[in-house]
Amino acid sequence: DAGVTQSPTHLIKTRGQQVTLRCSPKSGHDTVSWYQQALGQGPQFIFQYYEEEERQRGNFPDRFSGHQFPNYSSELNVNALLLGDSALYLCASSPDRGGTGTQYFGPGTRLLVL
Amino acid sequence: GNSVTQMEGPVTLSEEAFLTINCTYTATGYPSLFWYVQYPGEGLQLLLKATKADDKGSNKGFEATYRKETTSFHLEKGSVQVSDSAVYFCALSHVTGGTSYGKLTFGQGTILTVHP
Repeated sequence: DAGVTQSPTHLIKTRGQQVTLRCSPKSGHDTVSWYQQALGQGPQFIFQYYEEEERQRGNFPDRFSGHQFPNYSSELNVNALLLGDSALYLCASSPDRGGTGTQYFGPGTRLLVL
Repeated sequence: GNSVTQMEGPVTLSEEAFLTINCTYTATGYPSLFWYVQYPGEGLQLLLKATKADDKGSNKGFEATYRKETTSFHLEKGSVQVSDSAVYFCALSHVTGGTSYGKLTFGQGTILTVHP
């Protein structure tokens, strides 16, 4: 049973560029959440997708957007990159029904903005 | 709003020492509580969880008890190993209406280093 997968593993971009990160949830999970983890900090919630719609959003600007596909996979897009966007981006999946709030994390995509 | 506070780190111990990492939370209602572990260069792995007051979560020798009266969920292990060296995160989530939706709110993390 494959866990949560993310691609790419590492990415280097320059300021002002745009980036797309991808996530495939754990089998049987239909809800995907994205988190940003700056160096030395705990993960911060960006948003959550369910049934192809953004269901909940954290305190992140509109430059951060996402999408969920019918197969439950998801993308995170960040426009107009800033140096401060350098971080580890984590995707987590969970079942919408019958869960206990547990989210299962992928290995993350490490983004460096120069 | 919800928040989680972890003890200041880093924590450095000798192998076989006793470990406690303190975690307290602020939340309305009855959140679920979690400990996640992050090994160098990796994502987060669920270590243990508790979903209601007085529940004890346990895994790999680690334990934590959901204490509603003190709003705490301290992590303990009786005898740590070098392989336990990692960053430990306390987190909470709200589960409402039978669904699992709801963000995880994390503490700042505690770095644990265990020496032989």
